Amino acid sequence: EDQVTQSPEALRLQEGESSSLNCSYTVSGLRGLFWYRQDPGKGPEFLFTLYSAGEEKEKERLKATLTKKESFLHITAPKPEDSATYLCAVLYSDNFNKFYFGSGTKLNVKP
Amino acid sequence: DTAVSQTPKYLVTQMGNDKSIKCEQNLGHDTMYWYKQDSKKFLKIMFSYNNKELIINETVPNRFSPKSPDKAHLNLHINSLELGDSAVYFCASSPSRAYNEQFFGPGTRLTVL
Repeated sequence: EDQVTQSPEALRLQEGESSSLNCSYTVSGLRGLFWYRQDPGKGPEFLFTLYSAGEEKEKERLKATLTKKESFLHITAPKPEDSATYLCAVLYSDNFNKFYFGSGTKLNVKP
Repeated sequence: DTAVSQTPKYLVTQMGNDKSIKCEQNLGHDTMYWYKQDSKKFLKIMFSYNNKELIINETVPNRFSPKSPDKAHLNLHINSLELGDSAVYFCASSPSRAYNEQFFGPGTRLTVL
């Protein structure tokens, strides 16, 4: 069973068209949920860490939220430079720490 | 200044060979990691290393071994390369052992023929 699932797999938006990406998780004992951005041919770039349900973090046009089952990455009025693959990852404790990335959402913002 | 660097960027080799990928970080971080990203872009942690404490993902074959000459370096050695080892390998580092705020290197694309 997948520990973390991201949807949609791909998302095409017009510039300025706000939307949300979803990251749902099935693990218990969550110790942190992380969002990264990955551009083609590059390593992931850290965006946010969320630790507990109800927590929110913002950075420019991005806002991440967390519930007990999922996290959303809200993108407000996106620009073409926001085009990238967005990855979420979970850290949880199951006797020892385990860390898994989701498969990502590929975002394409058209001008 | 490059925060996390990897060499080489591309590595093409034959099945059965032994190869190494080097990683260096100049951030003063305590923990370093190795990841494998397969052709479907799925990123999977292989190792984390903090102050001589090595945590190994149980699915990693023992042909893979990390070696850390000092806190700023974590090299990846691969013995008896197989076709399925072809992937992009990323090194990363973080300030603590909590997997938080990781800085990733540019990746090494390994192709096994």
